[in-house]
Amino acid sequence: AQSVAQPEDQVNVAEGNPLTVKCTYSVSGNPYLFWYVQYPNRGLQFLLKYITGDNLVKGSYGFEAEFNKSQTSFHLKKPSALVSDSALYFCAVRDGEDSNYQLIWGAGTKLIIKP
Amino acid sequence: EAGVAQSPRYKIIEKRQSVAFWCNPISGHATLYWYQQILGQGPKLLIQFQNNGVVDDSQLPKDRFSAERLKGVDSTLKIQPAKLEDSAVYLCASSLRIAGGKYEQYFGPGTRLTVT
Repeated sequence: AQSVAQPEDQVNVAEGNPLTVKCTYSVSGNPYLFWYVQYPNRGLQFLLKYITGDNLVKGSYGFEAEFNKSQTSFHLKKPSALVSDSALYFCAVRDGEDSNYQLIWGAGTKLIIKP
Repeated sequence: EAGVAQSPRYKIIEKRQSVAFWCNPISGHATLYWYQQILGQGPKLLIQFQNNGVVDDSQLPKDRFSAERLKGVDSTLKIQPAKLEDSAVYLCASSLRIAGGKYEQYFGPGTRLTVT
């Protein structure tokens, strides 16, 4: 069965420090991986995705994510956190070989950046 | 480019009443999704349309929820009758198309429903 896990409910980082939000997945075929961000009282916004190619994917707002096939992980990273990065982050995965193409969502990680 | 539009933004109803939500996707996006998001959880897919056809409604509580996308553009989601546990944010999203599953989804601002 397909699944995605975000092992941390909350991540606290000081402004200016690097941040990592973790995501691991399980699919039968090739994974299509996505990160979305949700600011308070707003809908989700697409950050970046991995479909194929380079394992390091760059996205919006200075975020990047590294696809690691052996560890089945797709951790979100940013070299220097901003207070405005505080939000709820969701990882999602789709099995590229599943004709249903339903996106499986993680439970979310709350990122808090302290000044 | 205009984003996904949803209305209303907020709705408060009593249990057993009915409610309807409207969504206008990004122009040219063939695929439309309705999600339910309960506070503190990830989105749960309710129904997925490709143009005006239903692709997946396996998680839609069909005894009370219905959705349509008659002309392959706008969509409405209806709940009748509402229950307390339907209190959630209802998100509409769209993507270019479903084929290959490679396309990201673009979300509207959501409708926050409170059932009292």
